[in-house]
Order: sequence, then structure tokens, then C-alpha cells
Amino acid sequence: DQQVKQNSPSLSVQEGRISILNCDYTNSMFDYFLWYKKYPAEGPTFLISISSIKDKNEDGRFTVFLNKSAKHLSLHIVPSQPGDSAVYFCAASARGNTPLVFGKGTRLSVIA
Amino acid sequence: NAGVTQTPKFRILKIGQSMTLQCTQDMNHNYMYWYRQDPGMGLKLIYYSVGAGITDKGEVPNGYNVSRSTTEDFPLRLELAAPSQTSVYFCASSYGQGADEQYFGPGTRLTVT
Repeated sequence: DQQVKQNSPSLSVQEGRISILNCDYTNSMFDYFLWYKKYPAEGPTFLISISSIKDKNEDGRFTVFLNKSAKHLSLHIVPSQPGDSAVYFCAASARGNTPLVFGKGTRLSVIA
Repeated sequence: NAGVTQTPKFRILKIGQSMTLQCTQDMNHNYMYWYRQDPGMGLKLIYYSVGAGITDKGEVPNGYNVSRSTTEDFPLRLELAAPSQTSVYFCASSYGQGADEQYFGPGTRLTVT
């Protein structure tokens, strides 16, 4: 049973436009959420995170929004750049310092 | 500062063979992890360690063993390799667990035929 779901396997966006990547979760005990970015033949790298006490966290072109009542979070990239083309993983951690649970990832392609 | 290093990068095993995937981190992190990523799937946790001498099972531990004799090293052992273990394996480390950022190695691509 998937606790972290990324229902869009892929997304294609024009350069300069907004990319919105979505993530849903089922476990109400999750209280910390992270996004990782992965290029081919490399390990994932941390991108941005958000605690459940917040509903928004921003870092440059990247913003993560959290809607706790809907158990939904989204990553916004504005403006999208070709170098943003990668697989993005949503991950969540439950209270009590438990291991991360990852979604299946969304492959973002930013077209020049 | 090399971060997390993994060896080998690629390996082909025959069914029934065994091997050890090496992982080393130089950030003095307490926590270390082994994940596998199958095509089109997310990262699944195999084993993790909260410090030297302490390991625990993750979501998919069957067919694997780990040890953590030092803070730096966290090898993953495959005994009696099976085709179902064909995957890309990532090692990661972090200072704490949960909310703490994990640093990943570049991965080992393993094929079992």
C-alpha cells in the first residue's frame, strides 16, 4: 500500500513556464516532507522540504505547498529551466524520527 | 570531502552468486541507508543503521544482509543472488533521521542473470 503517491509519471513544460509536481500521502502521522531531484546515473539530491506546521516554504525558484487537510503537497518551479529536467521524488517522514518513505517519482522535461 | 561513495558502479552476477556492495561516507553521519530503485518505482528502503553496531530492517530486507562496524562504512551483502535483485542500489547517509537531509551516493547498477 503506497503511503506516498506521485500519480503523474511524467510532465512536460515549456522553458520559462511554471512546473507543478504533485504528491499525495495517506499516513496522517507524516509530519515532514522533502523533495529530491535525480539526474540519470546520479544519486538523488535534496531540493526542498516543509514541516507540517507550515503550509509553504520557498527557496529561490522552488516553492513547496502543503495542504494537510487534503494530505497533498506540490512543488512549484518558476520559471522552469532546461536544467530542471530530472526525476523528482516526494518523500515523507512520520513523527518519531522514522525512515523516509518515497513516492515513485515524476519525470519532468523542460523543453527549450 | 567525497561525500558518499559506492563501489562498484556496475556489476553483473549469475544466479546464486554472492557479492558485497561497498558504501563509505566521510561526513561523520550517524545514519546510513541502503535503498533499491526498480524501473519506474520509487526508492525502497532495504536496511538502515543508526550508528556503528546498530542496524535495522527496512521495507524490503529479504535476500540482503548488512553490517556497520564503523561510522564510515555500511556494506550491503547479497547472498544467493536472484533475478529479482536486479536493480539500482543507492547508499545514503544523514546526520539525523526523518527530517534531516539524506546525502546519496551515485548508485550501483546490478544485473542478475
